[in-house]
Amino acid sequence: SQKIEQNSEALNIQEGKTATLTCNYTNYSPAYLQWYRQDPGRGPVFLLLIRENEKEKRKERLKVTFDTTLKQSLFHITASQPADSATYLCALVNGSGNTGKLIFGQGTTLQVKP
Amino acid sequence: DVKVTQSSRYLVKRTGEKVFLECVQDMDHENMFWYRQDPGLGLRLIYFSYDVKMKEKGDIPEGYSVSREKKERFSLILESASTNQTSMYLCASIGLFEQFFGPGTRLTVL
Repeated sequence: SQKIEQNSEALNIQEGKTATLTCNYTNYSPAYLQWYRQDPGRGPVFLLLIRENEKEKRKERLKVTFDTTLKQSLFHITASQPADSATYLCALVNGSGNTGKLIFGQGTTLQVKP
Repeated sequence: DVKVTQSSRYLVKRTGEKVFLECVQDMDHENMFWYRQDPGLGLRLIYFSYDVKMKEKGDIPEGYSVSREKKERFSLILESASTNQTSMYLCASIGLFEQFFGPGTRLTVL
């Protein structure tokens, strides 16, 4: 069956450390994968997109990797801050994604302690 | 600034009531989506629309219908609300690749 999985356990780290979140998928062939941030009681906000032919993408303190062999994406936040505390969702589009339909993981909650 | 708005942040309805959730986007996007989000289940697609008057079922359409009479407006309808439809409802539209979400409507059905 098709699955997209993120670690359901919350990730607690100390301020200044690097947070690494994992997204694994099975039986999908995504043309691209996206990461979103969601704060409590609010809608998700787009952060980064990485295509199947890209290994790595960076934006300020954020880095995303995409390994289509392992069927995994890693999301890194370097020099983490308490303001980075939120739930992070990965989402993929199956195939070419012409409709824009995304399949979302359950999300991982990150707590950065000062 | 891109904007997706939803008609209510919080809504309380009774079992059997007909419920309308409205979503408006100001970006001239063609594709719009309705999701529900529940703890442990993540975001699940209810319906999406790729043009005016065009719609397609998502993963969990049972108990819901939608309406898209104008490009900027996408409505979700609960024909007869039930307690298992208590949830956070999120509307989104899609730009080039990324989805833009509204703030969500937390619906409670008593």
